[in-house]
Amino acid sequence: SQQGEEDPQALSIQEGENATMNCSYKTSINNLQWYRQNSGRGLVHLILIRSNEREKHSGRLRVTLDTSKKSSSLLITASRAADTASYFCATDPNFGNEKLTFGTGTRLTIIP
Amino acid sequence: DAGVIQSPRHEVTEMGQEVTLRCKPISGHDYLFWYRQTMMRGLELLIYFNNNVPIDDSGMPEDRFSAKMPNASFSTLKIQPSEPRDSAVYFCASRPPGLVDEQFFGPGTRLTVL
Repeated sequence: SQQGEEDPQALSIQEGENATMNCSYKTSINNLQWYRQNSGRGLVHLILIRSNEREKHSGRLRVTLDTSKKSSSLLITASRAADTASYFCATDPNFGNEKLTFGTGTRLTIIP
Repeated sequence: DAGVIQSPRHEVTEMGQEVTLRCKPISGHDYLFWYRQTMMRGLELLIYFNNNVPIDDSGMPEDRFSAKMPNASFSTLKIQPSEPRDSAVYFCASRPPGLVDEQFFGPGTRLTVL
């Protein structure tokens, strides 16, 4: 089963609105990463948050992490048509383990 | 700088044929990962290497799958014989040494087995 489960599976919003995606995971983690995948392309790293961090910002991205609830959220503010993509969370379930386990993804569509 | 390079980008083959997918990681990266992505199963890690040595191949689905990394700049994923259920997009990713956890993905190879 997937370590990470994103919610919702699909999201459609108007351009300019904010988009929030959630990720839940099952085991203790070292860090949690978010990746974007445009249609027909490989994944691109967006942001990483470590287990001792609660919030992190990068441009229009804001990530939160709640290790007690084993959950994370990705907020994209002032969405643009170019943000249309699938978004995946990825966790490294074991300390010192280089493996990443990816969630099922949220398909985000920005309506112009 | 060139990113991760994969070839071919698309492969269509018939059941029973041998398929070889190729990957060139980013220069200086010492980790290489092979993933498979399907609608049903999402993104699955098949195998990964560190300094050309396979570290974990627990995700390789069957003995029909094999992967090699003969040097730091080249890796192959081979399927022999191929089956229709192997149809998927196969990604290669690399990661630099040290405390950098980010993985850099290639564009993928879309494999269709008829």
